[in-house]
Amino acid sequence: QVHLVESGGGVVQSGRSLKLSCAASGFTFSGYGMHWVRQAPGKGLEWLAVVLSDGNEQYYADSVKGRFTISRDNSNDTLFLQMNSLKTEDTAIYYCVKSTGRATNFDFWGQGAPVTVAS
Amino acid sequence: QTVVTQEPSLTVSPGGTVTLTCASSSGSVTTNSFANWFHQKPGQAPRALIYSTNQKHSWTPARVSGSLLGGTAALTLSGVQPEDEGEYYCMVYLSGFRTWVFGGGTHLTVL
Repeated sequence: QVHLVESGGGVVQSGRSLKLSCAASGFTFSGYGMHWVRQAPGKGLEWLAVVLSDGNEQYYADSVKGRFTISRDNSNDTLFLQMNSLKTEDTAIYYCVKSTGRATNFDFWGQGAPVTVAS
Repeated sequence: QTVVTQEPSLTVSPGGTVTLTCASSSGSVTTNSFANWFHQKPGQAPRALIYSTNQKHSWTPARVSGSLLGGTAALTLSGVQPEDEGEYYCMVYLSGFRTWVFGGGTHLTVL
């Protein structure tokens, strides 16, 4: 079955960088677009970024454009989120999410990686 | 900046029917919005229920359905059960911007 496992979360100082990974299994990773979504403590969901199946197209929410970079390694079935110039408001649980055949729809979610940005 | 609006909270009796809605500030929600719905229980990751407005995943209960209703996306839960409590989020796709936007969520209480 589909399994998505995020890693790389933790506590980081404001202004520093952090890179999240999402190991995928149970499906043909290279065939699907992948997203990152986050949820700040006690808040709702926020879409952050998508990378299409071949890795050649990425799109971002305005809130992270220019600071975060989504990428993928189809050889190792892994999704990444490079987060630079982190702010305290980036504190959240970060989820990787698999799309269905179309990147427009979501199906499976990882369990999430907590990131805390300290001032 | 598009804002997607959901009812903040709803209460339904066990066995009853409830409809949650999802409206977009940029205009009517249509099939081209590819509305998705998710259910999240405390301490858990969200779980997908509906995609492309009204399509069910293989694990979606038969009592859950999606539709368009007067320019909004709608999620209807029939024969509501206690395990249906939790937060429900809708999400729409903004094709012109190649971005996705979540609604603020509806907290559903079964009482």
